Amino acid sequence: NAGVMQNPRHLVRRRGQEARLRCSPMKGHSHVYWYRQLPEEGLKFMVYLQKENIIDESGMPKERFSAEFPKEGPSILRIQQVVRGDSAAYFCASSPPAGGPYNEQFFGPGTRLTVL
Amino acid sequence: KQEVTQIPAALSVPEGENLVLNCSFTDSAIYNLQWFRQDPGKGLTSLLLIQSSQREQTSGRLNASLDKSSGRSTLYIAASQPGDSATYLCAGHDSSNTGKLIFGQGTTLQVKP
Repeated sequence: NAGVMQNPRHLVRRRGQEARLRCSPMKGHSHVYWYRQLPEEGLKFMVYLQKENIIDESGMPKERFSAEFPKEGPSILRIQQVVRGDSAAYFCASSPPAGGPYNEQFFGPGTRLTVL
Repeated sequence: KQEVTQIPAALSVPEGENLVLNCSFTDSAIYNLQWFRQDPGKGLTSLLLIQSSQREQTSGRLNASLDKSSGRSTLYIAASQPGDSATYLCAGHDSSNTGKLIFGQGTTLQVKP
């Protein structure tokens, strides 16, 4: 059973460009979480999704950031018009549906975004 | 608002020592608690999950305890090895109905051969 997969592992963008980060959860997992780790800071929750639904986006910046988890395909975290402050490691985690949202979360290797 | 604090921020020990990493949280309504390991430039590896109704979990040389009344969790590492060198993170499952994790800042451990 493959773990959580994220791509790309490293992404370089110039200010003003768009960044798309992909996350494929573990097989059978229907809960996806995105977290961000800014340089010298801890991990912060961004958004929690289930298939085709955003459940909690309380950690998402109000502008330029969006997330989706379509019925088919990976979850996408999209950052429009990137700025240098968006440079960070973005981690995706997944958990199984049984037992609700409090199950063990399994993390992907992360995407390290650098904005020039 | 739930906050998670880890002490110490960094720790250096000789190989073979037993050690304890501490984690405290402000809201006793925390649901589950998870301990992770993060190697430099890598993702997070889940070490132990302590469910709300449990007091401790063990996996090999690792033992984690949870005391909700005092707002504390500890990770005990027995007979430390150089390969244990990493940053250790504790995270509480938020008590809201979403299960999002609230992370501490981590303890960076170095085990010297």
